[in-house]
Amino acid sequence: GAGVSQSPSNKVTEKGKDVELRCDPISGHTALYWYRQRLGQGLEFLIYFQGNSAPDKSGLPSDRFSAERTGESVSTLTIQRTQQEDSAVYLCASSLMGGSNTGELFFGEGSRLTVL
Amino acid sequence: AQSVTQLDSQVPVFEEAPVELRCNYSSSVSVYLFWYVQYPNQGLQLLLKYLSGSTLVKGINGFEAEFNKSQTSFHLRKPSVHISDTAEYFCAVSPLGGSYIPTFGRGTSLIVHP
Repeated sequence: GAGVSQSPSNKVTEKGKDVELRCDPISGHTALYWYRQRLGQGLEFLIYFQGNSAPDKSGLPSDRFSAERTGESVSTLTIQRTQQEDSAVYLCASSLMGGSNTGELFFGEGSRLTVL
Repeated sequence: AQSVTQLDSQVPVFEEAPVELRCNYSSSVSVYLFWYVQYPNQGLQLLLKYLSGSTLVKGINGFEAEFNKSQTSFHLRKPSVHISDTAEYFCAVSPLGGSYIPTFGRGTSLIVHP
């Protein structure tokens, strides 16, 4: 597709369950980012993938959070043993890297996670 | 490391009035500067960006922003707002070189009243 695609758009789960959120970036974009947006707050960086380099995981809040990316395509963010404080909108963005990079990010519409 | 401060969490304004949304940043390295807009139930989209050159940059929907290096600010302005401008606005900075991980402010909710 033309834009960043995220699924599911909404997910309601019970405390303690695992969830997987998926992001399909824009074709040709080598950089992929996950951010978390809690209600009334700004964007909190979680993890960054750039090509085949080791991901920057410095924003992951706990070891319950992990993410993978297959080559330069789809990424999956996994949250294990979900807690109520994990409730948020999880935003994925991709970016074109290389010599012409200007740092502009292209965002998906987000996956809204509600932990009961 | 970088940080972004958006001083106003909410800015109410009447339609056709001018508006300014404030953004200040701190960084130990040179940065690119961005404003993104998030309409209800949508993802963020780029309004405008400053990379280099003229400190006054123009974006979509009649918005503009001015980079002030001495004050480390990048305030967003529009001379006359419309109801459709009601949205959340995020200021962001991205370091030149390195990992290009943007840091976002907390956002400013612009509420345009008829």
